[in-house]
Amino acid sequence: NAGVTQTPKFQVLKTGQSMTLQCAQDMNHEYMSWYRQDPGMGLRLIHYSVGAGITDQGEVPNGYNVSRSTTEDFPLRLLSAAPSQTSVYFCASSYGQGRGPDTQYFGPGTRLTVL
Amino acid sequence: GDSVTQMEGPVTLSEEACLTINCTYTATGYPSLFWYVQYPGEGLQLLLKATKADDKGSNKGFEATYRKETTSFHLEKGSVQVSDSAVYFCALSNTGGFKTIFGAGTRLFVKA
Repeated sequence: NAGVTQTPKFQVLKTGQSMTLQCAQDMNHEYMSWYRQDPGMGLRLIHYSVGAGITDQGEVPNGYNVSRSTTEDFPLRLLSAAPSQTSVYFCASSYGQGRGPDTQYFGPGTRLTVL
Repeated sequence: GDSVTQMEGPVTLSEEACLTINCTYTATGYPSLFWYVQYPGEGLQLLLKATKADDKGSNKGFEATYRKETTSFHLEKGSVQVSDSAVYFCALSNTGGFKTIFGAGTRLFVKA
């Protein structure tokens, strides 16, 4: 199993550009989430999904879109990049088991810089 | 709503010292509790977890006990190593919820 994979590892964008961060998992997990982590360490939830075709907003959804057309893939789209979106982005997946998300499995992260 | 509070860092210890990182939570019902660790340049990974009151999670010499009466899940290790230097996150997941709630993280530095 590859677990959770993210591409790219690093990206530099100019203000106003758009791009998609890719996330895939091969563990057949229902739950997938996107977080951003800024200096000071905390994680903030951007969007999450509880299954194919179902997505919802987290704490900081503005400027980002997601879709979940398959169980495996959960891409994050930046619509018009801003310097405030400079951050490290983590994708995570987990089983639900009817009790809420179980252990989260994290990808290695994408380090994004917006100039 | 549900929340997690953990002690602020950074925590700096000498090798072989004892470690305690405090974590308390607010939640209805019976959440599952987790400790995750993040090494430099990597994503978070599960360190240990407990799913019901009085359960003790343990891994790599770290332990934490689910205390419902004090709503706590403190992380402990009897003798830390330089390789334990990392950021530690306490987290909870609740029945009927769709999100994992993370604490702010505590950075640990261990000096040789």
